[in-house]
Amino acid sequence: AQSVAQPEDQVNVAEGNPLTVKCTYSVSGNPYLFWYVQYPNRGLQFLLKYITGDNLVKGSYGFEAEFNKSQTSFHLKKPSALVSDSALYFCAVRDENSGGGADGLTFGKGTHLIIQP
Amino acid sequence: GAVVSQHPSWVICKSGTSVKIECRSLDFQATTMFWYRQFPKQSLMLMATSNEGSKATYEQGVEKDKFLINHASLTLSTLTVTSAHPEDSSFYICSASRSQGYQPQHFGDGTRLSIL
Repeated sequence: AQSVAQPEDQVNVAEGNPLTVKCTYSVSGNPYLFWYVQYPNRGLQFLLKYITGDNLVKGSYGFEAEFNKSQTSFHLKKPSALVSDSALYFCAVRDENSGGGADGLTFGKGTHLIIQP
Repeated sequence: GAVVSQHPSWVICKSGTSVKIECRSLDFQATTMFWYRQFPKQSLMLMATSNEGSKATYEQGVEKDKFLINHASLTLSTLTVTSAHPEDSSFYICSASRSQGYQPQHFGDGTRLSIL
């Protein structure tokens, strides 16, 4: 079975400061990891993914995430937060061994990121 | 690229009505489409996985006769909520993916369904 934990319901950061949104995962094989962002009454927008290779992954809107296999983490980061980054962020995982085809992802519960002016 | 269109965005209807939601991949062929349900302030719950030309695979606890899914082409999947009741009110989101598991899913903007 695969699972994702986002330990923080909400993260508050002042504009211009660095931000981190935490994510840990559990899979039996190698993980495919994703971050998505959701704005109110909208679907999810893909930010970045880790499949293999460099542990530091860069994505859309200046976001990046670091894959840490020993800590089974994939925290989302940004060096300087913008007010427009305020949204709901989801971490998702799929086990490499979960079968052929694009099986459904397992999502974390989401973290509300609030950037204060 | 990788745009997914979901329609309608908002539906309000009477109890007992059936409602159809469409999910289209506009600029790529989606071998697999997914349907999720999201309750307020909660995460996405996978309802079913839909592969073009075959029957959908439903997650445990999801009534297949209640939530009919059709994936007739590589660019279109539909979810029909049959005989909808107030407890079916929710935010429904579709996503589409190319065949490989490491490809990201691309999401529609969701459909807010309100049953009176």
